[in-house]
Amino acid sequence: GQQLNQSPQSMFIQEGEDVSMNCTSSSIFNTWLWYKQDPGEGPVLLIALYKAGELTSNGRLTAQFGITRKDSFLNISASIPSDVGIYFCAGPQGGSEKLVFGKGTKLTVNP
Amino acid sequence: DVKVTQSSRYLVKRTGEKVFLECVQDMDHENMFWYRQDPGLGLRLIYFSYDVKMKEKGDIPEGYSVSREKKERFSLILESASTNQTSMYLCASSPPRGGLETQYFGPGTRLLVL
Repeated sequence: GQQLNQSPQSMFIQEGEDVSMNCTSSSIFNTWLWYKQDPGEGPVLLIALYKAGELTSNGRLTAQFGITRKDSFLNISASIPSDVGIYFCAGPQGGSEKLVFGKGTKLTVNP
Repeated sequence: DVKVTQSSRYLVKRTGEKVFLECVQDMDHENMFWYRQDPGLGLRLIYFSYDVKMKEKGDIPEGYSVSREKKERFSLILESASTNQTSMYLCASSPPRGGLETQYFGPGTRLLVL
């Protein structure tokens, strides 16, 4: 089945640094979703991308839908302690209501 | 505002007990999902439902069953809880395809089976 490879698995950064993470697949996706999960909570949708090449921002977050439709990137600028959590990419499983999820990037921000 | 609620945030049960996890959404969504989340394994789909009384197995249905008697409510049942079912359980809902495929998650239930 379709799989999403997310990297890096974890990141340890200093407050104020920029962060970049990505998600790749061997299959084409028509939608890319980025979720954030705070410790002990459910994932919350950050950004949704629907067109190849699309670049979308949400505050300090910017996500891009890769031109090949096989990858997506999430950048966080000027990180702050509340950015801590697990970031998941996801995309619809072809022809179904289900989503495929990456295994997540765990972000730690040191004040 | 979108709202998915789960009946318990934390639950402790004994091996062999029957366990019910309840999920309610107030968005009139057709689709509802149950996942479990374990460190290093990400989110794994247990079951999902695309309509009342309809259900479909996900990737790891063994040891679980579900019930969807009303559109807004989707229950996950552990018929006989085992220690390897200790996990974080997440419920989600989404509109039908053409509804931008976005899933909205509840806060999760952390289940410990002793």
